[in-house]
Amino acid sequence: EVQLLESGGGLVQPGGSLRLSCAASGFTFSTYAMSWVRQAPGKGLEWVSTISGSGDNTYYAEFVKGRFTISRDNSKNTLYLQMNSLRAEDTAVYYCAKCGTWALYSFDYWGQGSLVTVSS
Amino acid sequence: EIVLTQSPGTLSLSPGERATLSCRASQSVSISYLAWHQQKPGQAPRLLIYGASSGATGIPDRFSGSGSGTDFTLTISRLEPEDFAVYYCQQYGSSPPTFGGGTKVEIK
Repeated sequence: EVQLLESGGGLVQPGGSLRLSCAASGFTFSTYAMSWVRQAPGKGLEWVSTISGSGDNTYYAEFVKGRFTISRDNSKNTLYLQMNSLRAEDTAVYYCAKCGTWALYSFDYWGQGSLVTVSS
Repeated sequence: EIVLTQSPGTLSLSPGERATLSCRASQSVSISYLAWHQQKPGQAPRLLIYGASSGATGIPDRFSGSGSGTDFTLTISRLEPEDFAVYYCQQYGSSPPTFGGGTKVEIK
């Protein structure tokens, strides 16, 4: 059974930093690309970033380029999102998602999410 | 980027009725790379349909997807109590991947 468990969310001041983690199990982690998708309170879903299975290739939404960094440790089956220069508009639940075999940006399993609140 | 517009915004139906949800893309979606996800309050999304019409693992066959190009449809043949939720379409054929604004299926 695929399981994705996010952690690391919380309250941070504008301009601050936070690192999210996503512990994966139930599948061969290094074989699959992984993504982060966020959802602002009461809003829809918004893609943030994707990383290839090897970690060699990364992709970002324009609104996080230069501020967020996606990475993974395949020896620990863990995905990360380092978030710097946080803004109020980054407040959201951040979901990690496993990418499907059929396309890079397909999402076939989702974690339960981690709430990030950016506020002074 | 491809903009996905879902309609209606809210669908009020009774258990046992048929639900038809629409997703229209601002430009053609490559190779029908269109998915549908279900989200219940306080829960993570769940993949229902990929490739416009293929059911994901463990999804009941009352859920079906159709369409191509710019017009796609999710149909729930007979609504069960657990089907009342928000449904999002998502295209993954071009970067950035994008989601529609969602359709809420509520109990009438």
